[in-house]
Amino acid sequence: AQTVTQSQPEMSVQEAETVTLSCTYDTSESDYYLFWYKQPPSRQMILVIRQEAYKQQNATENRFSVNFQKAAKSFSLKISDSQLGDAAMYFCAYRSPISGSRLTFGEGTQLTVNP
Amino acid sequence: DSGVTQTPKHLITATGQRVTLRCSPRSGDLSVYWYQQSLDQGLQFLIQYYNGEERAKGNILERFSAQQFPDLHSELNLSSLELGDSALYFCASSALWTAGNTIYFGEGSWLTVV
Repeated sequence: AQTVTQSQPEMSVQEAETVTLSCTYDTSESDYYLFWYKQPPSRQMILVIRQEAYKQQNATENRFSVNFQKAAKSFSLKISDSQLGDAAMYFCAYRSPISGSRLTFGEGTQLTVNP
Repeated sequence: DSGVTQTPKHLITATGQRVTLRCSPRSGDLSVYWYQQSLDQGLQFLIQYYNGEERAKGNILERFSAQQFPDLHSELNLSSLELGDSALYFCASSALWTAGNTIYFGEGSWLTVV
């Protein structure tokens, strides 16, 4: 079974600065998808960014980008120009093409943005 | 707004009772997923339906059951409730079951068992 590990329970960043959240995963599959979801205090789960394992190019969505290292099974999220609204719990998730295509989540990283 | 609608948003009930959580997926989405988020267990996959059929089962207790109806809405039934069932229950949907399809989450149903 696949596992996802987020080793940083909490992170903090100053407004306008850059922060990187770490995620590692364990899988024997070669084809899969990786996601970062954001959960603000409202508890809504919001998709931030996705990465297809077959793509070598790292995904980017505005101020959010990933560093996908397939061989190392690492998938970190970089948030540039951090804003107060970025404060949230961030979950890394893995999705397999099999097993019903469920999402397997990491434990989450609580990000605080300091003004 | 993800387009996934869950009702009720909040629910308080007593131990031993039974509740039903309802989910309407995004328009056109055939696949529905249920997740439980509790403080000590994180986000746990419960069950997945695709076009009315159960497709995958996760850590769902025998006291829990779900179904997806012909109009594609889904219900999660929780019975013989225990204090430990208190959690945020998410419904999510995707267009198809394949992994390339993005999964969108509803706002969740807060269940408190007292």
